[in-house]
Amino acid sequence: AQSVAQPEDQVNVAEGNPLTVKCTYSVSGNPYLFWYVQYPNRGLQFLLKYITGDNLVKGSYGFEAEFNKSQTSFHLKKPSALVSDSALYFCAVSRSGTYKYIFGTGTRLKVLA
Amino acid sequence: ETGVTQTPRHLVMGMTNKKSLKCEQHLGHNAMYWYKQSAKKPLELMFVYNFKEQTENNSVPSRFSPECPNSSHLFLHLHTLQPEDSALYLCASSQEAGQGVYEQYFGPGTRLTVT
Repeated sequence: AQSVAQPEDQVNVAEGNPLTVKCTYSVSGNPYLFWYVQYPNRGLQFLLKYITGDNLVKGSYGFEAEFNKSQTSFHLKKPSALVSDSALYFCAVSRSGTYKYIFGTGTRLKVLA
Repeated sequence: ETGVTQTPRHLVMGMTNKKSLKCEQHLGHNAMYWYKQSAKKPLELMFVYNFKEQTENNSVPSRFSPECPNSSHLFLHLHTLQPEDSALYLCASSQEAGQGVYEQYFGPGTRLTVT
C-alpha cells in the first residue's frame, strides 16, 4: 500500500529565511514523488516531481526537493522564502503501473514579513 | 488555471436535488480525475478515466455518478446527497494514467454545500 505523511500541519518562517516542508512516504517498488501548491480558492498547482535520476530536483518558483531513499523522504526546500510563498503544500506519491496518486494531508506554510 | 476549467464554482443543493459538475481540459491530455477535498483530510481520489475508459472507482457511493463523453470533458452527476458530501470537488487531468509518472493539472474546484 502507498502512503504519504506530512508531519507538520503548519510551518512558519521569516521572509528571506530558508524553508523546508517535510514529506515521508511508503510505497512498494520505486516511488514517483510530487509536490503541489494550493493558493486560496484555487486548485492545486504542480511544482516538481522526482521520477528517477538526480536526487535533487528543481522546480517552479525557486523550489527544490531532495529524494532520500534510505530515509524515504522527499522534503521541499527553498533557499529564501517570500511572503507570496504562503500557501498549502501537498506531497503525493505514485508508482509504476498504478492509476492512484496518494496525497498527504497538506502543510500550511506561512511566511512572515 | 485556464488549462482545466470547472463549472459551477459554487453549488448549494438540497438532499433531494439532482445536479451535475462539469470539467473541461484544454491540454490535450488523455486522463481525467475527480477528487474530493475536505478540511484536514488528504485528497480523496474518486474516479479515474484513461482514454475515456473508467479505470478506478475508489469505493465511491452510487449517489455520485461520473461521465466522460470524450477525453476533454468530465462530469460528476450528483443525486440524493448527504450533508457530509459537502466539500471542494476538484477535477484534474494528466497526459495519461497508469504509468504513475505524469503530473496532474487541477481545475479551481467546485465548492459544494449540501443542505
